[in-house]
Amino acid sequence: AQSVTQLGSHVSVSEGALVLLRCNYSSSVPPYLFWYVQYPNQGLQLLLKYTTGATLVKGINGFEAEFKKSETSFHLTKPSAHMSDAAEYFCAGCSSGSARQLTFGSGTQLTVLP
Amino acid sequence: GAGVSQSPSNKVTEKGKDVELRCDPISGHTALYWYRQSLGQGLEFLIYFQGNSAPDKSGLPSDRFSAERTGGSVSTLTIQRTQQEDSAVYLCASSPGVAGGNEQFFGPGTRLTVL
Repeated sequence: AQSVTQLGSHVSVSEGALVLLRCNYSSSVPPYLFWYVQYPNQGLQLLLKYTTGATLVKGINGFEAEFKKSETSFHLTKPSAHMSDAAEYFCAGCSSGSARQLTFGSGTQLTVLP
Repeated sequence: GAGVSQSPSNKVTEKGKDVELRCDPISGHTALYWYRQSLGQGLEFLIYFQGNSAPDKSGLPSDRFSAERTGGSVSTLTIQRTQQEDSAVYLCASSPGVAGGNEQFFGPGTRLTVL
């Protein structure tokens, strides 16, 4: 069964610093992986996704993630944090089998300090 | 274009009452999902619909929960005899299809509070 683990429920970075949010998955088959962002009182917005092909995926707002099969990881990064990046981030996976629902990690709250 | 919409945005109800939550997916999207977001459980899948196929109800937590999708479009999630542990944000999402790489587009959610 698919499971997704996010290490660190809260991450704080200074404005302009590197953002690194960690996500590991467990699956017996290559998964599809997603990063979503949720701003207060809003729904989830897709940042980026990995399906097949290039393992370095670029998304919106300067975020990117690298799929590393050997490490079963899909960490999210951004070179320089902006105040507007403060939000909750969710990693999610969807197996390539018949099930189509997303399995979410527990989320990481990102705080950006001035 | 219009995104996924949900109503009401907030619902406060008394324990034991029934509630109905509505989701309007993006036009043309054949797949529709319901998730629940709560403090203790995070984001959990509840149910999904794909076209005219039988829904996947594997995530529904009890038989008090049910959902229907009329005409392949609007969906209603019904919770009967609500309990305090049902308090959560209920999120609806739609997708162009059920291919695993298809993005799911989320609505803003309905915040349910059971007193």
